[in-house]
Amino acid sequence: GAGVSQSPSNKVTEKGKDVELRCDPISGHTALYWYRQRLGQGLEFLIYFQGNSAPDKSGLPSDRFSAERTGESVSTLTIQRTQQEDSAVYLCASSLTSQSGTDTQYFGPGTRLTVL
Amino acid sequence: AQSVTQLDSQVPVFEEAPVELRCNYSSSVSVYLFWYVQYPNQGLQLLLKYLSGSTLVESINGFEAEFNKSQTSFHLRKPSVHISDTAEYFCAVSNFGNEKLTFGTGTRLTIIP
Repeated sequence: GAGVSQSPSNKVTEKGKDVELRCDPISGHTALYWYRQRLGQGLEFLIYFQGNSAPDKSGLPSDRFSAERTGESVSTLTIQRTQQEDSAVYLCASSLTSQSGTDTQYFGPGTRLTVL
Repeated sequence: AQSVTQLDSQVPVFEEAPVELRCNYSSSVSVYLFWYVQYPNQGLQLLLKYLSGSTLVESINGFEAEFNKSQTSFHLRKPSVHISDTAEYFCAVSNFGNEKLTFGTGTRLTIIP
């Protein structure tokens, strides 16, 4: 079946503009995660959604970052008033559940964001 | 809080030679451990994971990793590497009941023909 998909694959924007990044998880996966990978660094957790529970937003770096998820499907990560330090690859992952921590997270190809 | 350290950012290895990619973690609670691989121009894929039971876990392509609780390590090994193993390898950890992954900074494995 289809894996996790993300769009756009590349996004170049000017400092101060807002951007929206989209993630389509694997069908049937109730848990969805967003991570960020800056150049030369590991992945940083941003936020995750599990079913209808309140999302865990503990990794969001500032109030310019927000994310939404429609039911158990598409998620959108929004970055307002982008800054150059927001430049990174934004990765989305999904898993069957997140209730035990044992389910494998399947990653999408990422969106490369460049803020000029 | 938990953290993952991958001391080697780059590891060059001759083809058919053995390799070890090091991973150390710190956590105040019990953990699950993972190795993910990112081949050139591809997304992250799970290579292997330790959840419980036998401390030695294996992947389908010949890699293995051993959970060492006393040394808080989860090093990845392969006895004989191939050109196709060229990739970036990430070690990650999660806590029981805490689903988000904490990643190391990655190790780029380069195979020299």
